[in-house]
Amino acid sequence: ETAVFQTPNYHVTQVGNEVSFNCKQTLGHDTMYWYKQDSKKLLKIMFSYNNKQLIVNETVPRRFSPQSSDKAHLNLRIKSVEPEDSAVYLCASSLTGGLSAETLYFGSGTRLTVL
Amino acid sequence: SQWGEENLQALSIQEGEDVTMNCSYKTYTTVVHWYRQDSGRGPALIILIRSNEREKRSGRLRATLDTSSQSSSLSITAAQCEDTAVYFCATNRGSALGRLHFGAGTQLIVIP
Repeated sequence: ETAVFQTPNYHVTQVGNEVSFNCKQTLGHDTMYWYKQDSKKLLKIMFSYNNKQLIVNETVPRRFSPQSSDKAHLNLRIKSVEPEDSAVYLCASSLTGGLSAETLYFGSGTRLTVL
Repeated sequence: SQWGEENLQALSIQEGEDVTMNCSYKTYTTVVHWYRQDSGRGPALIILIRSNEREKRSGRLRATLDTSSQSSSLSITAAQCEDTAVYFCATNRGSALGRLHFGAGTQLIVIP
C-alpha cells in the first residue's frame, strides 16, 4: 500500500530549465529523503531532512535544493537542469531518521529526462 | 568506492531453483538492509540483518552477514516468477542515523 506519493511520474524538459518535484508521506514519519537512481539502477542519497536538520550529500550540485513546508512534505527543486540530471528521483521517509535499522519507505519515483 | 561491486549484476534462473545474491562493502556497518525494487516502483524492504546476527530468515528468504569479511548474502529458496525484481543491499556506514547507502543491485529474472 503506497504511503509515499510523488508527482509527477515523468517530466521532460530542456537544459537550463527549472523543475520541481513533489513528495508527500502519510506515515507520520519525521524524516524524509531524496535519492537519485541512474540508468544503471545505482541509488545515491542526496538529502535527508527532518524538522531539525538538513544533511546534504557533499556530491550533490548546488543547483539542487530540498524544500519543505512541513514534515509530511519534501519537494526537490533543480534550478537549472543539466543532461546528467536525467534520472529517476526517489523520495523516501523513515520514522525518526535516528536509528540505523529503520525501514525506508519509498515512493514510486519521478523520471526526469533532460533534452 | 564504498562497495566491492558497483555495476548492476544480472541473474537469470528457472522457476523453482534456489538463488544467492552477494553484497560486499568496504565501510563498517551496524546493519545490512535488503530491498527489492519492482519495475516502475520504489525499493521496498524485504529483510534486515544486524551486525550481531549471522543469519536471518523470513519465509523463503535467508540473509547472512559476515562482519569479518564485510559481506552479506541474500538467498531465495524455490524462486518464483514474482521474485523477478532488482535486489539491493544497503548499509549505514556505521552511522546511527537512518541514512542508508545502497549497493549496485542485482537484477534477478525468474523464468517460468
